[in-house]
Amino acid sequence: DQQVKQNSPSLSVQEGRISILNCDYTNSMFDYFLWYKKYPAEGPTFLISISSIKDKNEDGRFTVFLNKSAKHLSLHIVPSQPGDSAVYFCAATGGMDSSYKLIFGSGTRLLVRP
Amino acid sequence: KAGVTQTPRYLIKTRGQQVTLSCSPISGHRSVSWYQQTPGQGLQFLFEYFSETQRNKGNFPGRFSGRQFSNSRSEMNVSTLELGDSALYLCASSVTGAQDTQYFGPGTRLTVL
Repeated sequence: DQQVKQNSPSLSVQEGRISILNCDYTNSMFDYFLWYKKYPAEGPTFLISISSIKDKNEDGRFTVFLNKSAKHLSLHIVPSQPGDSAVYFCAATGGMDSSYKLIFGSGTRLLVRP
Repeated sequence: KAGVTQTPRYLIKTRGQQVTLSCSPISGHRSVSWYQQTPGQGLQFLFEYFSETQRNKGNFPGRFSGRQFSNSRSEMNVSTLELGDSALYLCASSVTGAQDTQYFGPGTRLTVL
């Protein structure tokens, strides 16, 4: 049972344009969500997070939106840069069974074309 | 502040052997979590420790075990290695572990032959 889903395995975007990465979850008890960026053979690097009491969090070029009723979150990168090319994972935590652990989606590979 | 460190970075073992991986969290972080990353299964949670106590455990066989020391450093052990245990093993640390950002180390690449 996949509780966190990233349905797009890959995304290609032109440099300077907006990248939108999507994530859906099924567990309504999740109360904290994170986005990580990962390069091959390295650990995930934390990008941005959002608590369930908010619907938006912004940090520089990165903005995360949370729609609790739809159990959906998205990461917007504006403007996209070639250095943003990596695999992006969304993760969630919270609730009795999922406290103290992150449940990860399968990742979306972003390619930003120069 | 130094980040999360993991040793060794690479390891080659044969089936049936056992292995111990080490993780040193960021200074001041008391929660340490372990994850397994494989191409087919993505990032899967193994277990989480806080103040030397395991608070949560993923769906892995008993061959996978861990512990945390009083200085928050953690080790995980895999006994009777199988080919399918080949993976990148990632350690993450956070201050409290609950509604808290986890910071990952570079991982240990384990290859089982």
